[in-house]
Amino acid sequence: SQELEQSPQSLIVQEGKNLTINCTSSKTLYGLYWYKQKYGEGLIFLMMLQKGGEEKSHEKITAKLDEKKQQSSLHITASQPSHAGIYLCGASTSGTYKYIFGTGTRLKVLA
Amino acid sequence: DARVTQTPRHKVTEMGQEVTMRCQPILGHNTVFWYRQTMMQGLELLAYFRNRAPLDDSGMPKDRFSAEMPDATLATLKIQPSEPRDSAVYFCASGLGPPQIFGSGTQLSVL
Repeated sequence: SQELEQSPQSLIVQEGKNLTINCTSSKTLYGLYWYKQKYGEGLIFLMMLQKGGEEKSHEKITAKLDEKKQQSSLHITASQPSHAGIYLCGASTSGTYKYIFGTGTRLKVLA
Repeated sequence: DARVTQTPRHKVTEMGQEVTMRCQPILGHNTVFWYRQTMMQGLELLAYFRNRAPLDDSGMPKDRFSAEMPDATLATLKIQPSEPRDSAVYFCASGLGPPQIFGSGTQLSVL
């Protein structure tokens, strides 16, 4: 089983709708990272969360790390076709550089 | 923009052949990672280096894979001999502490 579980696995939304992607771990997260990947391309870094309760925003994307540091959510407000892609969460559960990644959430935004 | 450069972008080879993938990390980054991405397993860490020294290669099949950093501007991942199950996208990432910045990947097909 995956150490980092993402939900949902895929999501199709109408342009303008809000959506949330979750990333859950059974272990304490020492740093949680959100990336976006487009087909055939590398991962683009979005945000990094390190402290329990931390929340960061960039444009219309907000990410939170819960107080117990075992779950993070990524929220997109007023989605646009440019938000389409695969969103991956990555984390260290050991406090080292040995990162693990979730299986990703495929987002499609219908114009 | 500083970027991680990977070559080649695509590689098609026959089973049994040697494959070498190269990565130029971002100048000044002291940590370099190699990942493999497949549909079935997602993104898996193969190995990582800090200050050119290998810190962890436990994710890598030792009998056929090898990773090196001959100098600070070059990391290599070799597969010898290659097998069809090695077909995947191989990513290099670098960082100076978190987060990691990813290259565009090498798509490897072993026939």
